[in-house]
Amino acid sequence: TQLLEQSPQFLSIQEGENLTVYCNSSSVFSSLQWYRQEPGEGPVLLVTVVTGGEVKKLKRLTFQFGDARKDSSLHITAAQPGDTGLYLCAGGGRGSTLGRLYFGRGTQLTVWP
Amino acid sequence: ETGVTQTPRHLVMGMTNKKSLKCEQHLGHNAMYWYKQSAKKPLELMFVYSLEERVENNSVPSRFSPECPNSSHLFLHLHTLQPEDSALYLCASSQGVRPGGNTIYFGEGSWLTVV
Repeated sequence: TQLLEQSPQFLSIQEGENLTVYCNSSSVFSSLQWYRQEPGEGPVLLVTVVTGGEVKKLKRLTFQFGDARKDSSLHITAAQPGDTGLYLCAGGGRGSTLGRLYFGRGTQLTVWP
Repeated sequence: ETGVTQTPRHLVMGMTNKKSLKCEQHLGHNAMYWYKQSAKKPLELMFVYSLEERVENNSVPSRFSPECPNSSHLFLHLHTLQPEDSALYLCASSQGVRPGGNTIYFGEGSWLTVV
């Protein structure tokens, strides 16, 4: 059973388009993090959200944490080829073992010029 | 540059070999992690060290042996691996370990191929 479900699994779009990827769970998380991973590299942290309903913006990226802290979304405006990568969400559960994060399988985004 | 450095970046080893992966963090953190990333599964936590003591071992086979000599260095010793152990091994660090999760910073990973 996958604790965090990410959708879509793959997304291929043209430069300039907008997109939203989702991270859903039936579990409540104390915090949720988004990472981007490029081929052959480790994941790089984009944002951490901790409050239900929280919205954070990072240039063209908008992250939202659901009110119930069970889900999150990432919206990218006017996507660029440099946004290409694997987007991973990771949740820290209440009372989770010492710093443990639960990762989703990721959304592989490809932005074509 | 994330402040977490892994070597080697690529490793090919036979099933009877003994090799080690090395990780060093320059962030002043006191917790370090090993994760495994393979094509068919999400990131899997293998080991967690806090203040140089192992605090979690997620039922990892004994052919993987971690070592944390100090808060800045972490090793993963490999022995008698199987082809299905081929994967990207990621080291990470954080400031402390707390319930509810930490912000962790990953290295670039070591690609391991077992032949």
